[in-house]
Amino acid sequence: EDQVTQSPEALRLQEGESSSLNCSYTVSGLRGLFWYRQDPGKGPEFLFTLYSAGEEKEKERLKATLTKKESFLHITAPKPEDSATYLCAVRPWEGAQKLVFGQGTRLTINP
Amino acid sequence: GAGVSQSPSNKVTEKGKDVELRCDPISGHTALYWYRQSLGQGLEFLIYFQGNSAPDKSGLPSDRFSAERTGGSVSTLTIQRTQQEDSAVYLCASRPGTSGALGEQYFGPGTRLTVT
Repeated sequence: EDQVTQSPEALRLQEGESSSLNCSYTVSGLRGLFWYRQDPGKGPEFLFTLYSAGEEKEKERLKATLTKKESFLHITAPKPEDSATYLCAVRPWEGAQKLVFGQGTRLTINP
Repeated sequence: GAGVSQSPSNKVTEKGKDVELRCDPISGHTALYWYRQSLGQGLEFLIYFQGNSAPDKSGLPSDRFSAERTGGSVSTLTIQRTQQEDSAVYLCASRPGTSGALGEQYFGPGTRLTVT
């Protein structure tokens, strides 16, 4: 069964304290891994697409990386406005028209 | 331009009543998705529309759930005889079409459904 697991469920950091969120997956043939940011009361906002092991994408204080079994979302010197829930999703096989989502990591950055 | 809109933003209904949730996708987007998000959970796929093709209904949890998309634009998700376990946020997303990454979807703000 295709599965995506995110850890930790929740993470509290001080402003400026760098850390990483994890997304591990078990799928038959990965055809894309996607990261989203979701603010309370809003729909997810697309951040990154990763396709192959070794690939990296960056946006401001966020950097997403991909291996054959997991992806990391690294956050460097975070600010309070980075507080949100971060969701990971995968396209599990070629031709799949739907994504499998993880349950998310709720990130809180304290000033 | 305008993003994906959903209405109502909140809906409280009594158990056993029917509800209709509406989604207006971004103009020109041919692909439309419905998801359900329960408290503390990830998104659960419900149904997918692509152009004039038959929809992928494989995620609908029971025959009480149905959806339609009229004229390739607006979509309505209908839940009949609502149950308390139907309480969740229902999210709609659209994307331009079959080109581009599947995950590059634009989400609406969701409808929070509470069944009492």
